[in-house]
Amino acid sequence: DGGITQSPKYLFRKEGQNVTLSCEQNLNHDAMYWYRQDPGQGLRLIYYSQIVNDFQKGDIAEGYSVSREKKESFPLTVTSAQKNPTAFYLCASSRGQPVTEAFFGQGTRLTVV
Amino acid sequence: GIQVEQSPPDLILQEGANSTLRCNFSDSVNNLQWFHQNPWGQLINLFYIPSGTKQNGRLSATTVATERYSLLYISSSQTTDSGVYFCAVLIYNQGGKLIFGQGTELSVKP
Repeated sequence: DGGITQSPKYLFRKEGQNVTLSCEQNLNHDAMYWYRQDPGQGLRLIYYSQIVNDFQKGDIAEGYSVSREKKESFPLTVTSAQKNPTAFYLCASSRGQPVTEAFFGQGTRLTVV
Repeated sequence: GIQVEQSPPDLILQEGANSTLRCNFSDSVNNLQWFHQNPWGQLINLFYIPSGTKQNGRLSATTVATERYSLLYISSSQTTDSGVYFCAVLIYNQGGKLIFGQGTELSVKP
């Protein structure tokens, strides 16, 4: 089955800890994205990558980091510098150039305790 | 930057009723997507529609790019249509970034 897999579904983090969210796709898509969703709001872009070993900051990149060592994988690290990390995180991918529609994973719900 | 506004913010329907959701955007865009977010949080792709009209079963969408709006029509609504509907505009020169509206929360009562 082709798709985007995010893990874990739920994640609890203590204040001051870094955590890494996983995103894997087997759609052979070049572009991958991380979005954040807060309650009652739309999604906002954190980081995106159009090609392996390259990525760009989105609108709310502060306190986050990413890597893109493989085409299939785009992990997101939420660092201790992120002041309000509790949110729902969604990973997406698209074919890339030319830009086409994006497809989303099932999301990871992160809670800081 | 581009602003995306959706209306209404909330909608309650009786099963079988029809509805129209609206998405306005403040500038020219390359493309537009409609999504349904189910109660578990997953975003389901509904339409990828830069202009014109598309239909998929009981759902259809129309985008009038020159007037900067898109409409999502739901006919003969079912309880499984409940959830949040998002429109998002696609920006090609920013890596295919999506800018989302705030969503319309639809509740269909039996």
